[in-house]
Amino acid sequence: DIQMTQSPSSVSASVGDRVTITCRATQAISSWLAWYQQKPGKAPKLLISAASSLQSGVPSRFSGSASGTDFTLTISSLQPEDFATYYCQQGNSFPFAFGPGTKVDVK
Amino acid sequence: EVQLLESGGGLVQPGGSLRLSCAASGFTFSTYAMTWVRQAPGKGLEWVSTISTSGSTTYYADSVKGHFTVSRDNSKNTLYLQMNSLRAEDTAIYFCAKAYTTSSRAFDYWGQGTLVTVSS
Repeated sequence: DIQMTQSPSSVSASVGDRVTITCRATQAISSWLAWYQQKPGKAPKLLISAASSLQSGVPSRFSGSASGTDFTLTISSLQPEDFATYYCQQGNSFPFAFGPGTKVDVK
Repeated sequence: EVQLLESGGGLVQPGGSLRLSCAASGFTFSTYAMTWVRQAPGKGLEWVSTISTSGSTTYYADSVKGHFTVSRDNSKNTLYLQMNSLRAEDTAIYFCAKAYTTSSRAFDYWGQGTLVTVSS
């Protein structure tokens, strides 16, 4: 089974900061990687699919990239509404798997 | 507008059963794979199960294989999760989610979740 790791597990940042979150798969998953944002008490929200395809309505400050089995979510200029937990998810093969999450909180 | 509405959660004793439902609207339900994801209190997301458009193919996490069964009724636009032999570690919020496209493995719409608590 493919496992997903994320780093860091948490990051403290300020509004305007550039934030980078990394997700690594234990096997090749092509571009079957999605990123989600979750706020407390809410369902996850899909930000990026296919490693780098931004969902409609998601601000362009969010971007995704891939290099082999390493995937990156970047928030170019953190906004107040971006404080949340972020999860990656592999969809290459069953069983699907989420990463453990990265919490972005206020510095 | 796409809507997913879960129901059926609640408090159940260890070894008991529950059936969750997810009523879908606002899209052609029968053309999208559907998925259940759960989240234990204070923990991360865990993929639970995915069912194909027709219901003929199902996939399960190892943690639930053999005691959860996913199904769907395309005539009723409803997804189900039958949970048997429930254990304390099954305590979680259960979300249903829709595939982003007919061939996608990402999930673009989620329900609000239903809480399942397994406790004596």
